[in-house]
Amino acid sequence: AQSVAQPEDQVNVAEGNPLTVKCTYSVSGNPYLFWYVQYPNRGLQFLLKYITGDNLVKGSYGFEAEFNKSQTSFHLKKPSALVSDSALYFCAVRDWGGGYQKVTFGTGTKLQVIP
Amino acid sequence: NAGVTQTPKFQVLKTGQSMTLQCAQDMNHEYMSWYRQDPGMGLRLIHYSVGAGITDQGEVPNGYNVSRSTTEDFPLRLLSAAPSQTSVYFCASRREGNTEAFFGQGTRLTVV
Repeated sequence: AQSVAQPEDQVNVAEGNPLTVKCTYSVSGNPYLFWYVQYPNRGLQFLLKYITGDNLVKGSYGFEAEFNKSQTSFHLKKPSALVSDSALYFCAVRDWGGGYQKVTFGTGTKLQVIP
Repeated sequence: NAGVTQTPKFQVLKTGQSMTLQCAQDMNHEYMSWYRQDPGMGLRLIHYSVGAGITDQGEVPNGYNVSRSTTEDFPLRLLSAAPSQTSVYFCASRREGNTEAFFGQGTRLTVV
């Protein structure tokens, strides 16, 4: 069975500092990996995904994520945090394979950017 | 484009009542899903559909029913509401393949 772990319930970072939100995964095959962001009282919005290719993936709003197969990690990063980045972030994984593949979401990490 | 539209945004039910949460998408996506979001548990898949007329169960299907008569619509029915079904419900859709999901704004349901 596939699984995703987001070890930190909350991450606090000062505005202008780099941020990292951690994610590790477990799948039987090769993974599809996603990051989504949720602002208060809103649905999830797609940030970026890793399917194959370069281990560093760039996404929306200046976010990027690094795929590390040996550590089974897919950490979300941004060089300089903004107050407007404060939100709930979800990592998700899907196994390769034919047909419909269910997505497993992590429990979410609340990012608080302090002015 | 409207994207994924969910109605209602808020609902309070009494135990034992039934209701339908509506979900519609205008992107001609094949795949649609329903999730519930509970504190500390992330999103859990309730039911999903890979096309009109085809549905299947997710992780937590008990107490819920779905149908998919058209590509656009994927309603979720609560048969007999229970307090354990108090949650925020999200509908999502995506194209077939290695694609990301588009989510509705959610329905906050309280069962008393």
